Amino acid sequence: EPEVTQTPSHQVTQMGQEVILRCVPISNHLYFYWYRQILGQKVEFLVSFYNNEISEKSEIFDDQFSVERPDGSNFTLKIRSTKLEDSAMYFCASNRVNEKLFFGSGTQLSVL
Amino acid sequence: AQRVTQPEKLLSVFKGAPVELKCNYSYSGSPELFWYVQYSRQRLQLLLRHISRESIKGFTADLNKGETSFHLKKPFAQEEDSAMYYCALPFISNFGNEKLTFGTGTRLTIIP
Repeated sequence: EPEVTQTPSHQVTQMGQEVILRCVPISNHLYFYWYRQILGQKVEFLVSFYNNEISEKSEIFDDQFSVERPDGSNFTLKIRSTKLEDSAMYFCASNRVNEKLFFGSGTQLSVL
Repeated sequence: AQRVTQPEKLLSVFKGAPVELKCNYSYSGSPELFWYVQYSRQRLQLLLRHISRESIKGFTADLNKGETSFHLKKPFAQEEDSAMYYCALPFISNFGNEKLTFGTGTRLTIIP
């Protein structure tokens, strides 16, 4: 079965630094997503991306966050100036219309 | 607003015993509901969706609109069922992207 790939699996950064989390969605998928899970809490929707633009975002996804599809394969989440409360597991996902979501294995972001 | 509640954070069941993981939802309209599973060190994956009415790995879930529940059941637990289970409620936007609202999850441990 095809897989969504996320790199790195674990990222450690200092507060205030910029981080970029990378994802390679499944090649023929059209919709791309980022979710996050703070330790001990539920998985939360951040943003969805379709046709090279954001189609929906949650209130968590403020101006510190941005997403980009820089080429035909990568889908990135950038956090401009990380805060301690950004520490979480970040999941990328992708799908086609009316089909199930495929999730990546996640990137654990630790902000010190 | 849509909401998913999983009242049990932890559930331990003996091997061979029946399993029931509870999920209640709040949604105005006719919902579609999913169960996702995350085995240790693996990615989130779709276990089953109510609309397909199928049994996956011996698990079934019935949508009860009167009780607004979608409990996950299995008659005889197996050790490999130990995992984190999430109930999720999707919302399909006008763009066709699927935003999931997750419950907080239940960690199921099967005791040998």
